[in-house]
Amino acid sequence: GAVVSQHPSRVICKSGTSVKIECRSLDFQATTMFWYRQFPKQSLMLMATSNEGSKATYEQGVEKDKFLINHASLTLSTLTVTSAHPEDSSFYICSAPGLADNEQFFGPGTRLTVL
Amino acid sequence: QKEVEQNSGPLSVPEGAIASLNCTYSDRGSQSFFWYRQYSGKSPELIMSIYSNGDKEDGRFTAQLNKASQYVSLLIRDSQPSDSATYLCAVGGYTGGFKTIFGAGTRLFVKA
Repeated sequence: GAVVSQHPSRVICKSGTSVKIECRSLDFQATTMFWYRQFPKQSLMLMATSNEGSKATYEQGVEKDKFLINHASLTLSTLTVTSAHPEDSSFYICSAPGLADNEQFFGPGTRLTVL
Repeated sequence: QKEVEQNSGPLSVPEGAIASLNCTYSDRGSQSFFWYRQYSGKSPELIMSIYSNGDKEDGRFTAQLNKASQYVSLLIRDSQPSDSATYLCAVGGYTGGFKTIFGAGTRLFVKA
């Protein structure tokens, strides 16, 4: 299957700082990428759909000014958590769509801890 | 609100037994159905996809889909301790763009 990487895998930051998470498709081009958040023992919740060359589409209840998404190229999408607070601590996972309908390839995830 | 429901478990089965995982969904227009395995602290890994009614087998895994009952299941034969993980059911459809809704997952423990 396709390979999606994320960096960093783990980040600890102080409250009020901003954190950038990178998602790369390693062996294919992705015009669309998805960003999910997963709290402990809960399901994946789609935050936004990142679109290369245009604005991201945010899900209801997700603050676009707090979670900045940039899809700068066909292989890179970034999520920046601005002015992070402890309640933003979570597992952030990106994915890229496969060839089949709704098939997705997930990155390894980024564990964010805000102190 | 489109929903995907799973029993959170944990489901505990002895090694070598069949593990049966179930999932129901609310959107009758759903078109694609997936089972993902997620180990603790890791991201989900696709293990099965199914798009039409009936059974689909891949090695020790069998996915079953019944669109009339809005029900999808996963059977794991000859369960191994390495199968111990959380299994996420995911349902996809087209509503202004392809969207996938994930269930909260069922925790499976396979006892050696």
